[in-house]
Amino acid sequence: RKEVEQDPGPFNVPEGATVAFNCTYSNSASQSFFWYRQDCRKEPKLLMSVYSSGNEDGRFTAQLNRASQYISLLIRDSKLSDSATYLCVPGGSGSARQLTFGSGTQLTVLP
Amino acid sequence: DAGITQSPRHKVTETGTPVTLRCHQTENHRYMYWYRQDPGHGLRLIHYSYGVKDTDKGEVSDGYSVSRSKTEDFLLTLESATSSQTSVYFCAISEPSRGGGGYTFGSGTRLTVV
Repeated sequence: RKEVEQDPGPFNVPEGATVAFNCTYSNSASQSFFWYRQDCRKEPKLLMSVYSSGNEDGRFTAQLNRASQYISLLIRDSKLSDSATYLCVPGGSGSARQLTFGSGTQLTVLP
Repeated sequence: DAGITQSPRHKVTETGTPVTLRCHQTENHRYMYWYRQDPGHGLRLIHYSYGVKDTDKGEVSDGYSVSRSKTEDFLLTLESATSSQTSVYFCAISEPSRGGGGYTFGSGTRLTVV
């Protein structure tokens, strides 16, 4: 079973829309989670860290449901600049806290 | 942004030649990582380091070696490059003790093996 599963999309939404991505994880012991965004041909960049039930930063809200083992990312009032691939990543527990990345969910915000 | 640079940014090399990619950080982060990214595979861990001279293999380590003689530098060597190693290589750093745990990535090295 994969460590994390995400709908690959693509999600195509109009500017101003609210969009949500869900991510399920297999390791119930995971204590932390990260959302990264990756623009085409660029490096991934950390968007949000989630250590408890959730986190909010402006238009972005991450929620964690430990009982169901899923984490979601909500983007409100989508901007064209939000177009990217979004990666859900459980925190690592190895000697260097190494992370395992999936392929992410592709979002395109349309004008 | 954290100071992390990768060099070279782009490289074309011939099959069978050794290639070394460099990752340099100015943040004094303890952990460093090398990933490769290919279409349809996401980021895959090649090798990682949890301190000077402390390194270990990731899921796709065959054909690669690493060295970390200083905190700030983590070198990835393709011992004898093959076409299957054509990829984008990302270095990342992390320092969970500073309240983070997430990574900061370098800008990547695009390697083409012909």
